Amino acid sequence: DAMVIQNPRYQVTQFGKPVTLSCSQTLNHNVMYWYQQKSSQAPKLLFHYYDKDFNNEADTPDNFQSRRPNTSFCFLDIRSPGLGDTAMYLCATSWSVSENQPQHFGDGTRLSIL
Amino acid sequence: DQQVKQNSPSLSVQEGRISILNCDYTNSMFDYFLWYKKYPAEGPTFLISISSIKDKNEDGRFTVFLNKSAKHLSLHIVPSQPGDSAVYFCAASAVRASKIIFGSGTRLSIRP
Repeated sequence: DAMVIQNPRYQVTQFGKPVTLSCSQTLNHNVMYWYQQKSSQAPKLLFHYYDKDFNNEADTPDNFQSRRPNTSFCFLDIRSPGLGDTAMYLCATSWSVSENQPQHFGDGTRLSIL
Repeated sequence: DQQVKQNSPSLSVQEGRISILNCDYTNSMFDYFLWYKKYPAEGPTFLISISSIKDKNEDGRFTVFLNKSAKHLSLHIVPSQPGDSAVYFCAASAVRASKIIFGSGTRLSIRP
């Protein structure tokens, strides 16, 4: 089955220690998204890649960065995580951004900053 | 500024009855609306969508209704089953926008 796979599923890291979350897809979709979801809140878009074009949301903190080395993989890098970055991080994909269509989500990485 | 609002954090419905989940939005530019279902420890799964040119879309037990004048949509599940117990997210996007905006979710519990 075509899927969106996130690794690791759970990550615990120390305050200030860089962390990288991974997302891969077998859907061959052009667009990959990263969301942050805190408890009982709506998923919040951090940024997305349309092919190789990076699009950052205006309110995404500067210590959040992303890389997309190829169509299948996308990484979320948090350079110096703070306690407030504890959240679920969701990766999603879609074929395009210009047509009305749903996004397909991975199962998320639950990140805890200690 | 919440553009998509789900004002009921939780809802409990008896098995076999109808579940109605509600969603309000503020941005009149939204033209595409979606419902996602999320089980614990899993990512959101797309359930059903509706374009603003329609006022109803049906898929099996799931029907979404859109009232553009009231900026309101609802998801009806008939009949409700135990496997429907999950968090349901309403989401919306504007024409040619590159993102969808999510509500904060409603936790639906189906009781026997």
